[in-house]
Amino acid sequence: EIVMTQSPATLSVSPGERATLSCRASQSVSSNLAWYQQKPGQAPRLLIYGASTRATGIPARFSGSGSGTEFTLTISSLQSEDFAVYYCQQYNNWPFTFGGGTKVEIK
Amino acid sequence: EVQLVQSGAEVKKPGESLKISCKGSGYSFTSYWIGWVRQMPGKGLEWMGIIYPGDSDTRYSPSFQGQVTISADKSISTAYLQWSSLKASDTAMYYCARPAARGGLDPWGQGTLVTVSS
Repeated sequence: EIVMTQSPATLSVSPGERATLSCRASQSVSSNLAWYQQKPGQAPRLLIYGASTRATGIPARFSGSGSGTEFTLTISSLQSEDFAVYYCQQYNNWPFTFGGGTKVEIK
Repeated sequence: EVQLVQSGAEVKKPGESLKISCKGSGYSFTSYWIGWVRQMPGKGLEWMGIIYPGDSDTRYSPSFQGQVTISADKSISTAYLQWSSLKASDTAMYYCARPAARGGLDPWGQGTLVTVSS
């Protein structure tokens, strides 16, 4: 089973600042990597698939990069609605696995 | 609109059985996998298993193999997650989600909260 490790666990950022979240896979997942945003009381929402492609309706301030084992989600200028928990997930190998999440909180 | 609608919250006692559902609409139900994801209180997302309603091909994550059963009834476009004997540790939110053709899980159901308590 591929282990996905996210860092940091918590990221404190001021509104308008840039946030950089990391995700590492225990073995290569090629570009079969997705990012999700989850707000309290809501289901997760797909942000990025294929490591770098924004899902429908996702603002351009969200961008993904990386391939193989190292991936990054960048939020260029944090808005109030972006404070949430973010998860990465690999879908290259069964079982598909999630990272432990990064909570982005207001500094 | 592609949608997954899950059954309502459940409160059960340890040892009881339970079957929760996830109804798909707005797409060809038999042409896409549907997966189940667990989220324990205050914790992250865990992939449980997946089913292809077209032929009922089912795969489980090792952690959940033998603990739950995933099934589907394609005549009513509904997938199921069931337990034969619930434990307190099964208390969690359970989501169904559809793997998108281009990657990732989209859409997600709204979640079903299962509470197991004596």
